[in-house]
Amino acid sequence: QKEVEQNSGPLSVPEGAIASLNCTYSDRVSQSFFWYRQYSGKSPELIMSIYSNGDKEDGRFTAQLNKASQYVSLLIRDSQPSDSATYLCAVNVGLNAGNNRKLIWGLGTSLAVNP
Amino acid sequence: NAGVTQTPKFQVLKTGQSMTLQCAQDMNHNSMYWYRQDPGMGLRLIYYSASEGTTDKGEVPNGYNVSRLNKREFSLRLESAAPSQTSVYFCASSEVPVREQYFGPGTRLTVT
Repeated sequence: QKEVEQNSGPLSVPEGAIASLNCTYSDRVSQSFFWYRQYSGKSPELIMSIYSNGDKEDGRFTAQLNKASQYVSLLIRDSQPSDSATYLCAVNVGLNAGNNRKLIWGLGTSLAVNP
Repeated sequence: NAGVTQTPKFQVLKTGQSMTLQCAQDMNHNSMYWYRQDPGMGLRLIYYSASEGTTDKGEVPNGYNVSRLNKREFSLRLESAAPSQTSVYFCASSEVPVREQYFGPGTRLTVT
C-alpha cells in the first residue's frame, strides 16, 4: 500500500510567523513531490514541486525534501491570514507492474493564520 | 488561457439518472485525470488518461466510465447515479504523467 501521510491539524500560527507543514511517504522510489493549497470550496492549486533532495524556495514558500528519511515539508514564512487553507501533499508512486506511476495524495493539513 | 474548464458547476440528480461531466484543457497537456473528493477521504483518482487514445482505471472506478474525446477533452459519465456518488468532482491535466497537475474548478454533484 503506497501511502502519503500528513498531520490533519488544524495548525494555528500567528500572523507573521513561520508555518511548517510536513508530509511522509512510504514509496522509496518516489521521484516527484508536490504541495497544493486548497481554499474551502475551491479546487487544489499548485504551490511548489520538488524533485531532488534539499531546499527549493519560491517567494515566501520553501519546500524541503529528504529522500533518505522519506519526508517532504513546506515552510511558509511571514504567514498571512490569506494563507489559511488546507495544504495537500502529493507524491508520485509506482504500481507493482510496469512503470505506470501516478500521484498519491495526502488528506491535507488545515492551516489557520490568526491576525 | 482558460486552463482546465469543467461543466457543469453544480448538478442534482435522482438515483438512477445518468449524466456526463465535461472537461477541457487548453495547455496542450498529454495526460488528464478525474478525481472525486469527499470529506475525510481526500482526493481519489477515478480514471485517468496518460495520453490521447488511452484510459485506465484509478482507485475508485466502479459506477463510472470515461472517454478521451481528443487531446483537449476528457469526459466522465455516470450511467446510473447512486447517492454514494454525491461528491465534488475535479478534472486535472498534466504535461506528462506524474508531473504537476492543474485542476479545474470542480463539479458539485448531489444524488438524491
